[in-house]
Amino acid sequence: QVQLVQSGAEVKKPGSSVKVSCKASGGTFSSYAISWVRQAPGQGLEWMGRIIPILGIANYAQKFQGRVTITADKSTSTAYMELSSLRSEDTAVYYCARENRGFDYWGQGTLVTVSS
Amino acid sequence: IVLTQSPATLSLSPGERATLSCRASQNINKYLAWYQHKPGQPPRLLISGASTRATGVPARFSGSGSGTEFTLTISNLQSEDFAVYYCQQYNNWPPPFTFGQGTKLEIK
Repeated sequence: QVQLVQSGAEVKKPGSSVKVSCKASGGTFSSYAISWVRQAPGQGLEWMGRIIPILGIANYAQKFQGRVTITADKSTSTAYMELSSLRSEDTAVYYCARENRGFDYWGQGTLVTVSS
Repeated sequence: IVLTQSPATLSLSPGERATLSCRASQNINKYLAWYQHKPGQPPRLLISGASTRATGVPARFSGSGSGTEFTLTISNLQSEDFAVYYCQQYNNWPPPFTFGQGTKLEIK
């Protein structure tokens, strides 16, 4: 059974950075792309970017270009999403998800709160 | 590509049929997925390829459409079906893989 387990909740100051991890088990990590999706309070789902671990190639939504970096460590089957220059509007639940004709497996979500 | 879902909110009773729509701003063939999202949980993949149910999804959920018009139908609504539903396209290469704004299915 595929599982994606994310790191715990974070509280960050405006202007700082946050790095969220997503550890995969039960499947072949490198064979599938991993995407990051967020949901701000009262808002819908927003795709941020993705990485193909076997290639190490990442693509980002234009909105987050220059502020987000998605990486993957094949040796530990872990993907990472780092978001910099945080502002209050980045307060959200961040999810990782495996791409397989849509997103078939999701992490449990990580709440990132940006507050001074 | 912009996905527009309608209605924003749908109020129905258990046992009724729900029809949710998703319109794409350009042709996405059948590269469309539907998700169910409940508070405090990650989204759940229901349908991919516009009409293929994901593993373990009950047969009362069905998807149809291609090109720019898509529909998710939930027949014989159960109490656990009341949630927010999102469509998502995965046609672009390279991404973004955009989501619709969601339809909230609430108990009448």
